[in-house]
Order: sequence, then structure tokens, then C-alpha cells
Amino acid sequence: DAMVIQNPRYQVTQFGKPVTLSCSQTLNHNVMYWYQQKSSQAPKLLFHYYDKDFNNEADTPDNFQSRRPNTSFCFLDIRSPGLGDAAMYLCATSRVGDTASHEQYFGPGTRLTVT
Amino acid sequence: GNSVTQMEGPVTLSEEAFLTINCTYTATGYPSLFWYVQYPGEGLQLLLKATKADDKGSNKGFEATYRKETTSFHLEKGSVQVSDSAVYFCALSDPYYGGSQGNLIFGKGTKLSVKP
Repeated sequence: DAMVIQNPRYQVTQFGKPVTLSCSQTLNHNVMYWYQQKSSQAPKLLFHYYDKDFNNEADTPDNFQSRRPNTSFCFLDIRSPGLGDAAMYLCATSRVGDTASHEQYFGPGTRLTVT
Repeated sequence: GNSVTQMEGPVTLSEEAFLTINCTYTATGYPSLFWYVQYPGEGLQLLLKATKADDKGSNKGFEATYRKETTSFHLEKGSVQVSDSAVYFCALSDPYYGGSQGNLIFGKGTKLSVKP
């Protein structure tokens, strides 16, 4: 089945130690999104790639970076994780341009713990 | 700006009870509307959608109708099951306000617990 895959599902990192989360998709969607979701809150958009164009949300800290080497893969890099960065990180994809609805398809998420 | 307001939870129901979760929106254009469901420890799953006024989205016994006159998209189910226990998010995508790249605006989510 076509899907959005996130690895790993659980990641533990140390305070200040860089960490990379990965996302891949088999849907051939042109847009990929990264969200941060803290307990009992709605997902918060960090940034997205529209094809190769990177779009950063205004309030996303510089500590968060992203790479999209090809259509299928997108990475979230946290350069110096702080305790406040512990959260669920969700990747999503969408096909924008040829449909009116722009629904997003989410991966299962990566639960990040910072010790 | 665009926004989504949904009823605060948590909502606790007995099995087979009727469910309504209210959702209203503010949008400058003609948004598409969505309900997503999130089970514990999982990502979000699209539950249903509607792309224009008077459309009814439905899936797994859940329904929601796009009401432009009341700017609402309330989620309903006639008989809930224990397996419906989850967090439900209402969301919109407005192509005329940031939604041209598919960006979603989410409500805060409503936690539903169904007791046997």
C-alpha cells in the first residue's frame, strides 16, 4: 500500500546532541510537511517543501532544519535538542495543484525523548 | 485570518450513544474542510472531508456536512463504539490564504472516550 513511513518510531537523544528524523513516501506527492505535536495539542507546522522549495514557518526555531534530497524522502534535523523539543514529530504529504481538497496523509510519527 | 474552533473535550460517552463534536470556521476564501482522527501513539488519519458548501463527508459511520451559512462542519455518529475512542481534529485548507500549498489549519482537538 502507498503510504508515509517514519523512522524511527521512537528516538531518544541527549540534550544538545544532534538528531535526524526521517520520512519517506510512496504516494509521489509533491508537498511534504513536518509538524511538531506536544501532548494534548494540535500539530504545529514547522515547515514544508513544495517540490524543492523550502517554506519555513515564521515561528520555527533556527534549531530545526530540513532536507529533501528527492521526491520520496524528507529529513528533520534538530541541531541542538533541548528538553522543550521532546514531542511527537509528524510527517505528512499532499498532492497540491491538481485537486481542490489538498488533504494531507500522515505518517505514524516519531516520539522524541530528550534526556 | 483563518481559524477553526471546535468544542473542548474531553467527551465521555457510553457505547451506542449519539456523538456530536461541533466545529466552526473562519475563512477568507472557499475552504475545504476535514476531520482527522488520532488514536493513541499514532499519526493523524483522514476521517472525512468536504470541498464545497452542502457537501456531506462520510466514513465509518461518521458524517459531517459543510454548512456555509453557519460556517460549520459538525461531526456526528449515530452509535459510537469503544474503538472510536481517540482525539478528533477539525481542519481547513483555504487556497486563498496559505492553503495554496496545502497548508492546514487545525482546531485544538477533542478527546473522545467511549465506555462499554
